[in-house]
Order: sequence, then structure tokens, then C-alpha cells
Amino acid sequence: DAKTTQPTSMDCAEGRAANLPCNHSTISGNEYVYWYRQIHSQGPQYIIHGLKNNETNEMASLIITEDRKSSTLILPHATLRDTAVYYCIVRVSGGYNKLIFGAGTRLAVHP
Amino acid sequence: EPEVTQTPSHQVTQMGQEVILRCVPISNHLYFYWYRQILGQKVEFLVSFYNNEISEKSEIFDDQFSVERPDGSNFTLKIRSTKLEDSAMYFCASSEAGSGPYEQYFGPGTRLTVT
Repeated sequence: DAKTTQPTSMDCAEGRAANLPCNHSTISGNEYVYWYRQIHSQGPQYIIHGLKNNETNEMASLIITEDRKSSTLILPHATLRDTAVYYCIVRVSGGYNKLIFGAGTRLAVHP
Repeated sequence: EPEVTQTPSHQVTQMGQEVILRCVPISNHLYFYWYRQILGQKVEFLVSFYNNEISEKSEIFDDQFSVERPDGSNFTLKIRSTKLEDSAMYFCASSEAGSGPYEQYFGPGTRLTVT
């Protein structure tokens, strides 16, 4: 089973920052936090990952607490196209390791 | 930007028939995966594949399923005798090899409908 806890759904106004929380209180020292999203029934799309430092890329920022028990994905200026299900996944490093998806957070961005 | 491709986008088949779902992973990736998503449910891991061998498989991946890399570019999932409950979206994914935190890249999926 997934080792993360996310809110079922969230709303965000277009142009505002969307802050999606994730709890992973049982995370191990060698596990990374990954975020993916799925727009409608399309294939999951990789967003960002991190181990303990905060990370930023062209899509989002990832803030990981110092104790690593929770994290927040930040979409700085949400658009309607960011409406999707967002998945927070913890996974040991290694290309061979499967992803275990939970139910995720359904983010609705509205005008 | 390189991407994973899948064909067909939609496959309709009758119960008991064999289907082959095809995927072309990103060219320099060496780990390949199949996942499925039944309508309204979570994305579920089926199998991972590396160096022409199955690395890991889930309990869903029973003897009715098989995977193959028939050439240097394609990666296939075969379902020998389809059942109604095999109706789902099937996603192929690939990633780089090694111990790094390599992300997996997913294809657009094949919608399989078993009637």
C-alpha cells in the first residue's frame, strides 16, 4: 500500500499558488519523495523529486520538512491546465523500483 | 523532448482473445514497466523488465500475462486470453538504469475494452 497520505481534493484559483501537502511519516532514510500528476486518463506525468533539500524545476517546487515526514508541492501560478490528480510517492532510489500510487489529490483550478 | 509511445490507443477485443499492447520506450532507457488503471481506480504496477528479464511482477501479473522486448525498440505486453476484468488503461513506462533516483516516464496509455 501507498506510504503517503494526501487530501482527497483541493481547489485553487487560476494564477494563484497551489500548495499540495503530503504526509510520509514512515519514510526511510534512503527513500525519495516523488510527485507525479495525471490529467484526466492520460499517463502519469513526472513533476519533481527530492531527498531532503528543497527542489525547484520549471514545473514546480518541492518543500520537504527537516524531519522528512511531510512535504509540499507548490505550483507557483496555477493554470486551468494544472487541473489533475497529483500523486505523492515515496520510493527507494534505483531505476528498477516500481511506483506505488495512492489515490492522490484531485486539484481543481478554477477561473 | 523524448517520449514513450504506445499503440494502439484503444483496443477492443472479445473475451478469450489474445491481445498485444505495444510500447516504444525512450531510447536510452533500460528499465521498462507496465502499469494498469481500471476505470475510477488507482494506477497499479504490473511488471518491471530489465536486461531481457522480468525484475519484479505483481500478483496481478499471472500466467495470462507476458512481456517481451522483441527488438531494440519495442516492449510488448501480451494477454493470452482476455477476461472482462482486464478492461483498463494500460500504461508503459521507462527509466534509466542504475541506482540513482531516476524518474519513470509514462506513455499515453492503451485503453483495452474486453467485451
